Amino acid sequence: GESVGLHLPTLSVQEGDNSIINCAYSNSASDYFIWYKQESGKGPQFIIDIRSNMDKRQGQRVTVLLNKTVKHLSLQIAATQPGDSAVYFCAENGGSNYKLTFGKGTLLTVNP
Amino acid sequence: EAGVAQSPRYKIIEKRQSVAFWCNPISGHATLYWYQQILGQGPKLLIQFQNNGVVDDSQLPKDRFSAERLKGVDSTLKIQPAKLEDSAVYLCASSPRTSGSDIQYFGAGTRLSVL
Repeated sequence: GESVGLHLPTLSVQEGDNSIINCAYSNSASDYFIWYKQESGKGPQFIIDIRSNMDKRQGQRVTVLLNKTVKHLSLQIAATQPGDSAVYFCAENGGSNYKLTFGKGTLLTVNP
Repeated sequence: EAGVAQSPRYKIIEKRQSVAFWCNPISGHATLYWYQQILGQGPKLLIQFQNNGVVDDSQLPKDRFSAERLKGVDSTLKIQPAKLEDSAVYLCASSPRTSGSDIQYFGAGTRLSVL
């Protein structure tokens, strides 16, 4: 079946560096994408979302880029901090309303 | 604004026993979701409610799992009988289902260990 996947299962960066977490999706019907951050022992926390009529969306220290041609999504975190250490999930809606399919996640470790 | 509340936080049972989880969504949120998250994986949707009606339960193992959302607010998820492979974190999420936003807000989850 179609699914959302991540290129890198783990990412280790130095504090202050920029981080880029990638996500590939295969369901061409998806028109909504969302990134979540999950810290140990907690539920997923919303970071940023983007609809398919956009290529880029910026938040506070985070930017999501969407390339529909190659079905690729990325999350950029500027000036990464130790508090950013967590598992990051991308999710897509498969064209359906209010239903999300999650990828496997990328573990981001920020070294002080 | 209070977040999604779940209880208990942890539960340990033996296989073939039954267990129930409770979820109180964010006030006013019409849509409620139950997810299963196995260690090292992303959340997998089990069931989706819109108010007190089921929208999608295609991935719910109905021979052992059941869920209800009486009165369209709180929800319970039950497993009976539990199997070893049910060990996971069970997450509840809710969304306001307003135009332009599909954001789901998650609770902290219930960690289930089946021995």
